[in-house]
Amino acid sequence: DQQVKQNSPSLSVQEGRISILNCDYTNSMFDYFLWYKKYPAEGPTFLISISSIKDKNEDGRFTVFLNKSAKHLSLHIVPSQPGDSAVYFCAASVSNTGNQFYFGTGTSLTVIP
Amino acid sequence: DAGVTQSPTHLIKTRGQQVTLRCSPKSGHDTVSWYQQALGQGPQFIFQYYEEEERQRGNFPDRFSGHQFPNYSSELNVNALLLGDSALYLCASSLVGDQETQYFGPGTRLLVL
Repeated sequence: DQQVKQNSPSLSVQEGRISILNCDYTNSMFDYFLWYKKYPAEGPTFLISISSIKDKNEDGRFTVFLNKSAKHLSLHIVPSQPGDSAVYFCAASVSNTGNQFYFGTGTSLTVIP
Repeated sequence: DAGVTQSPTHLIKTRGQQVTLRCSPKSGHDTVSWYQQALGQGPQFIFQYYEEEERQRGNFPDRFSGHQFPNYSSELNVNALLLGDSALYLCASSLVGDQETQYFGPGTRLLVL
């Protein structure tokens, strides 16, 4: 039962353009969402988060948008850089239940120089 | 400051055997979570340890067990290995209650033949 879904396994974007990665979830109890970035042979690293009381959170080139009614979140990277090429996972949790996160299947982003 | 370390990096076992994977958390962290990442999937939460006790458990059978030591390091044990247990096993450490400071190790790649 996949509660968090990333329907695009891969995405290619030209350097300097915007990358948009999407994530959908089914559990309406989720109220905290994170994006992780993973390079080959490394563990996922935290990128950006958003709680359900917000609909947008920005950190430099990275912005996460949350649409609670649609149970959808997206990660925007502007401008995209070749070093952003990695697998991106979205994850969701219910606050105050510890760090039990439900992950999506990941989207492999390739930024073409 | 060493991050999360895991050993071994790779392991090959046969069906029915038992395996033990090890994790040392990032300095200062007191909570360890274990995840299983099958090929093409996102990480799936196995369980979390805090104060040497299992705090939370995902949807994994009792063949999966763990332990946390007084120095916060942790072991994941899997008994009666099945082919389907072949995966990347990720350990993540954090401070209890702090959802953003979850640092992942590089993982242990387990292959069951």
